[in-house]
Amino acid sequence: GAVVSQHPSWVICKSGTSVKIECRSLDFQATTMFWYRQFPKQSLMLMATSNEGSKATYEQGVEKDKFLINHASLTLSTLTVTSAHPEDSSFYICSARGARGVEQFFGPGTRLTVL
Amino acid sequence: DAKTTQPTSMDCAEGRAANLPCNHSTISGNEYVYWYRQIHSQGPQYIIHGLKNNETNEMASLIITEDRKSSTLILPHATLRDTAVYYCIVSPGPTGNQFYFGTGTSLTVIP
Repeated sequence: GAVVSQHPSWVICKSGTSVKIECRSLDFQATTMFWYRQFPKQSLMLMATSNEGSKATYEQGVEKDKFLINHASLTLSTLTVTSAHPEDSSFYICSARGARGVEQFFGPGTRLTVL
Repeated sequence: DAKTTQPTSMDCAEGRAANLPCNHSTISGNEYVYWYRQIHSQGPQYIIHGLKNNETNEMASLIITEDRKSSTLILPHATLRDTAVYYCIVSPGPTGNQFYFGTGTSLTVIP
């Protein structure tokens, strides 16, 4: 149980385009989902927290207009990187938590490369 | 910001117990201690969590000191597949529950 999937696994895009990443909880209802970013040889950095049906809460320094997060259902959250630039190239990871649980379950990550 | 301190790296012989320490001296009363690990280019994998008492599951044991200022993750019989970066995180339970990752410990299991 507690499986979280991400799609796509990797994506390459041109500078200036937008990219959408999906995060799904496959076998539980995720009342809260989290998005992280990880640069090479660095730790995970929390970008934002989203509760189903509510606006996401962004961490300090994360541009909410650039990283659009939608959590429209209890099993799906999306992260859209708008007008992507090479410095946005990173490993993006989502996690999900159910209403009663205290653990977060992480997706496998999405490797974004912006050319 | 991360509220934990871990050694940067550790080695462990295959088949031996791996003991990974974590210092969280500023932990609050409502904060849990969580352990996750990340194998290269994958999402973190949940290992175990605890509040006050020691915990054990099929993967590992978690020993929390009485004052809760530090903890140790124990992998009883390390295998090569346990080579990963191990993260210790403190965070409140269902309320909030944001995870702020520190640098973690890179564990290498040696044949």
